[in-house]
Amino acid sequence: AQSVSQHNHHVILSEAASLELGCNYSYGGTVNLFWYVQYPGQHLQLLLKYFSGDPLVKGIKGFEAEFIKSKFSFNLRKPSVQWSDTAEYFCALPSGNTPLVFGKGTRLSVIA
Amino acid sequence: NAGVTQTPKFQVLKTGQSMTLQCAQDMNHNSMYWYRQDPGMGLRLIYYSASEGTTDKGEVPNGYNVSRLNKREFSLRLESAAPSQTSVYFCASMSGSANYGYTFGSGTRLTVV
Repeated sequence: AQSVSQHNHHVILSEAASLELGCNYSYGGTVNLFWYVQYPGQHLQLLLKYFSGDPLVKGIKGFEAEFIKSKFSFNLRKPSVQWSDTAEYFCALPSGNTPLVFGKGTRLSVIA
Repeated sequence: NAGVTQTPKFQVLKTGQSMTLQCAQDMNHNSMYWYRQDPGMGLRLIYYSASEGTTDKGEVPNGYNVSRLNKREFSLRLESAAPSQTSVYFCASMSGSANYGYTFGSGTRLTVV
């Protein structure tokens, strides 16, 4: 069965620092990968997705992620974080038409 | 606004009480899902419905039942609530292909005392 690992549980950054959140998956087939964001007190929103083509995917709010098949990774990056990026971030993948499997999430705290 | 609507937003139950969480989507999506979110555990799938008339168990189905009432509505029932079911519950829907991701409702925060 497919699985998703997010190794960073809580990341604390200062404003303007660069961000990279790790996501590794375990699945041998064709993968579609997603990053979702959950702002405090809100529901999950789609940040970006990969399902084919260019392995560097750009999403909303300046986020991007790179799919590296040889490393089974799909890390999320942002060159310069803002206080408003404080949220929890979830990596997820389906397998064919089965439901999304989510990682345990990474909480990002951005301090002034 | 189009989307996924969940009711109620907050609920406190006593151990042993029953309740139904409601979810409705107006995007004509085929698939609907119920997840629970607990600190440090991410989202775990309770039940899902790939299409109207079908339901399947997810990772943590014990203590829950679901009904896909029609294409729009997918309800989650707790027959006898337990403190371990204290959680935030999210309903989500998806059109036909996983490529498009899910649309989530705003969640129900349930406390069982």
